[in-house]
Amino acid sequence: SQQGEEDPQALSIQEGENATMNCSYKTSINNLQWYRQNSGRGLVHLILIRSNEREKHSGRLRVTLDTSKKSSSLLITASRAADTASYFCATDEAGTALIFGKGTTLSVSS
Amino acid sequence: GAVVSQHPSWVICKSGTSVKIECRSLDFQATTMFWYRQFPKQSLMLMATSNEGSKATYEQGVEKDKFLINHASLTLSTLTVTSAHPEDSSFYICSVKTGGPSTNEKLFFGSGTQLSVL
Repeated sequence: SQQGEEDPQALSIQEGENATMNCSYKTSINNLQWYRQNSGRGLVHLILIRSNEREKHSGRLRVTLDTSKKSSSLLITASRAADTASYFCATDEAGTALIFGKGTTLSVSS
Repeated sequence: GAVVSQHPSWVICKSGTSVKIECRSLDFQATTMFWYRQFPKQSLMLMATSNEGSKATYEQGVEKDKFLINHASLTLSTLTVTSAHPEDSSFYICSVKTGGPSTNEKLFFGSGTQLSVL
């Protein structure tokens, strides 16, 4: 089953611009996580935000969580070509296993 | 974090043969591993939860007799795709859960296995 739905499905920007991706989910969660996947590779954990947190920062990443709207956003500031990848949100609907959203494919051109 | 090694990275096999994929947790004793499947340009779909020393828990719609999971040690889980068919062609990724028994916290992923069945 899929829990999260990312929006947009694809995003193309220029280097230096900010990229914003959104994620919506359906049920109550303990935390929400964002992962990055380069083409044909495994996923890398980016950031985790707990249900009692509203905003979290990590380097150029900023994540917000609105549990009343069951949504989260990931902002990448001052994007670089190396940020080109697919980004997935994931929640713990199943209790122990993470359920992933459909992902946003980000393309940053120089 | 945990370092997860997955092997092979890619495999091509004939229809009807079986393929084994290994997932090793190199620096963490993993009582639980997860197996996901990913079709091109799609999300990861959870296939099963692999539990060390006990039977795997399969998600609805995943055939346990077709996707055999063995988690015989704290560092190794294997996924065997039996009697593979072209529709089994996909990207298979394992992951290791860190954190307490009732939390998922972060997942650390292997690099994935691209399976192509001819």
